Amino acid sequence: EIVMTQSPATLSVSPGERATLSCRASQSVSNNLAWYQQKPGQAPRLLIYGASTRATGIPARFSGSGSGTEFTLTISSLQSEDFAVYYCQQYFNWPPLTFGGGTKVEIK
Amino acid sequence: EVQLVESGGGLVQPGGSLRLSCAASGFTFSSHWMSWVRQPPGKGLEWVANIKPDGSAKYDVDSVKGRFTISRDNAKNSLYLQMNSLRAEDTAVYYCARHGVGGYWTDYWGQGTLVTVSS
Repeated sequence: EIVMTQSPATLSVSPGERATLSCRASQSVSNNLAWYQQKPGQAPRLLIYGASTRATGIPARFSGSGSGTEFTLTISSLQSEDFAVYYCQQYFNWPPLTFGGGTKVEIK
Repeated sequence: EVQLVESGGGLVQPGGSLRLSCAASGFTFSSHWMSWVRQPPGKGLEWVANIKPDGSAKYDVDSVKGRFTISRDNAKNSLYLQMNSLRAEDTAVYYCARHGVGGYWTDYWGQGTLVTVSS
């Protein structure tokens, strides 16, 4: 099973600042990596797939990068609606499909 | 508009059974892999099971093997999860989710249904 590790667990950022979230895989997943955003009481929403392709309707301030075992989600200028929990997920070697433990982005 | 609507959650005693349903609309259901993903209260996401578009292949996580069964009815645009021998650790919000075309990310999710296993 591929283990996904996200860091930090919590990220405190001021509105308008840049946020950088990390995701590490226990073995290479090539570019088979997705990012999701989840707000309290809501279902997750797909942001990025293929490590760097934005999903339909996702603003350009969200960008993904990386391949192999190291991945980054960058939010270039945080808006109020971006404060949420973010999860990465690998779909290279499954079953099982595996998620990281999440990074909570909170207001500083 | 893609819509996924789960139902069937509730309170069940340990060892009991429950069947979750997911009604899909707004897309060609029979063309997509579908998954169930769960989230225990206050915790992260865990993939549970998925099923091929024609139902001919199914996969699940080790913790539910032999207890949960995923199925689908393409004529009814519906996905199901039969859950038997339920345990306290199965308590979670269960989401129905659609896999994207060409990959196993999940591009649409339902609103979830809460399953509580407790005596």
